Amino acid sequence: KAGVTQTPRYLIKTRGQQVTLSCSPISGHRSVSWYQQTPGQGLQFLFEYFSETQRNKGNFPGRFSGRQFSNSRSEMNVSTLELGDSALYLCASSLRLARDEQFFGPGTRLTVL
Amino acid sequence: DQQVKQNSPSLSVQEGRISILNCDYTNSMFDYFLWYKKYPAEGPTFLISISSIKDKNEDGRFTVFLNKSAKHLSLHIVPSQPGDSAVYFCAASPTGNQFYFGTGTSLTVIP
Repeated sequence: KAGVTQTPRYLIKTRGQQVTLSCSPISGHRSVSWYQQTPGQGLQFLFEYFSETQRNKGNFPGRFSGRQFSNSRSEMNVSTLELGDSALYLCASSLRLARDEQFFGPGTRLTVL
Repeated sequence: DQQVKQNSPSLSVQEGRISILNCDYTNSMFDYFLWYKKYPAEGPTFLISISSIKDKNEDGRFTVFLNKSAKHLSLHIVPSQPGDSAVYFCAASPTGNQFYFGTGTSLTVIP
């Protein structure tokens, strides 16, 4: 069974730009969660989607948004990028609930210059 | 506000000895806890979990202990192996909600 895939793996943007990251969950998984990982902050929860609906949301500004498609694939978008948005963005999928065992993708490393 | 804390950013242990990784949390509503292991350039992988109705869960060389009154959990790895060298994250969740992760502890097992 294929794991969680994230594209692109690496991305360099400049301040003010916007970016879209993609996540394909494990086949059959319907819950997709997004996390931001920065040094010293660990993994910070961004949001969770289930059946195309945002079910939970972390404490991030409105510049961070996401969506989920009918095939459970998910995208997250960050608009008006700031230097502090440089991080590893991880996507995790689980069968049904965010509390089910989560399988993580390798992440997208975003660098904002 | 960090609700899950791993106060030791790094830990070095000799091969064959016990590794003890610690995690503290502040939210008494957390009732489900997990440990993840992360190698460089890979996403975290699930290691072991424990629910608040238990105080211990064991899986091979890995044991997680939960002390609810102290809001503390720990991961014991016995015996430690060089392949265990990785960053370990603890995570906690209240019922039906998302996970809160700690900042991670980098474990180095010295051969």
